[in-house]
Amino acid sequence: GENVEQHPSTLSVQEGDSAVIKCTYSDSASNYFPWYKQELGKRPQLIIDIRSNVGEKKDQRIAVTLNKTAKHFSLHITETQPEDSAVYFCAASRSNFGNEKLTFGTGTRLTIIP
Amino acid sequence: EPEVTQTPSHQVTQMGQEVILRCVPISNHLYFYWYRQILGQKVEFLVSFYNNEISEKSEIFDDQFSVERPDGSNFTLKIRSTKLEDSAMYFCASREGTVGGPQHFGDGTRLSIL
Repeated sequence: GENVEQHPSTLSVQEGDSAVIKCTYSDSASNYFPWYKQELGKRPQLIIDIRSNVGEKKDQRIAVTLNKTAKHFSLHITETQPEDSAVYFCAASRSNFGNEKLTFGTGTRLTIIP
Repeated sequence: EPEVTQTPSHQVTQMGQEVILRCVPISNHLYFYWYRQILGQKVEFLVSFYNNEISEKSEIFDDQFSVERPDGSNFTLKIRSTKLEDSAMYFCASREGTVGGPQHFGDGTRLSIL
């Protein structure tokens, strides 16, 4: 089955700096890669996703890049703000098989230092 | 914006007792999921449900677990005889019927087994 590795497990950045979180996946049939933000005790919230027919996607301060050949994808947050502090999870799935279960990475605890 | 709702938010149960966790998916969604997150760990897939039947289940989802959609709005997860290791946050998620549609998560039920 699919295995998703995520690094780093913790990340601290100064407010205003950029943060990058990286994930690798094992199943070459995976073609949908969402990123979720989870604040303490709350639900995972989808912040951005990318499909395998696209190499990069951007939404304001957040961008995701995908390298299908290397089987890795990354989340980039620019101009970080205190409210970006949370745990971020990457995930992967096969989006044309109906079920489309998500396999999650182990999470990155991002702390923005004011 | 429509949301997935889950009840109760916190359930405390004695080991060996049965517990039912309840979810109301977003109304026009067709695919339903249960995930589990042990404290401090990643989110893990348990089961997916479509067209009134299980479409996939993980190895965690053994004979003690069952799911049901008793009416047009509720989706339940039952654990027949709870164990200490069932203590976790349980998330329900749903998505539309389109291929590759994002999964939306509920706020979760924190299950504590004593």
